[in-house]
Amino acid sequence: GESVGLHLPTLSVQEGDNSIINCAYSNSASDYFIWYKQESGKGPQFIIDIRSNMDKRQGQRVTVLLNKTVKHLSLQIAATQPGDSAVYFCAENIQYGNKLVFGAGTILRVKS
Amino acid sequence: GAVVSQHPSWVICKSGTSVKIECRSLDFQATTMFWYRQFPKQSLMLMATSNEGSKATYEQGVEKDKFLINHASLTLSTLTVTSAHPEDSSFYICSAGNTVDTEAFFGQGTRLTVV
Repeated sequence: GESVGLHLPTLSVQEGDNSIINCAYSNSASDYFIWYKQESGKGPQFIIDIRSNMDKRQGQRVTVLLNKTVKHLSLQIAATQPGDSAVYFCAENIQYGNKLVFGAGTILRVKS
Repeated sequence: GAVVSQHPSWVICKSGTSVKIECRSLDFQATTMFWYRQFPKQSLMLMATSNEGSKATYEQGVEKDKFLINHASLTLSTLTVTSAHPEDSSFYICSAGNTVDTEAFFGQGTRLTVV
């Protein structure tokens, strides 16, 4: 079946450092990818997205990189803050209208 | 961005009873909504696509008779967990997209505990 990502690792970073969260996807035909942040007991919160005709997109303190050759996404968070602590998921839009396949997720812990 | 609201936020029910979860798009119309289930420390797994005015489309392995979906209007989809059992305890989340933005908007989720 389709899958995006294979692990649920934990990334621990010091406050102020940069964080890099990685994700692998399996459907080479996918053309739209999204990163979400999920805090405990809440629904996913949109962070940033990217289309397959781009390899990089920047937002406020966040950058998403897309490598279609190896089917890999990454999320970079600059100057990580305690409020960034959460689980981060990449998602692949597999159908018009936002039908998403989610990766396994990465727990980000920010140490003060 | 658009707002999607779920109700209730949490519910505890007895084994064998049914529970209904509502998903509403508050400021836009959604012909399609999606229902996901998330077990602790796991990712979101798509359960079904809710289609306004027609039958829902279920993902492989999801029992349509157990998870009844109704999408009777352009702003409301409901998920009913019938004859709930403890293994149905999970976090249920819905999403919808409008016709303007590309991103999907998620509800805040519903924590179901079956005792």
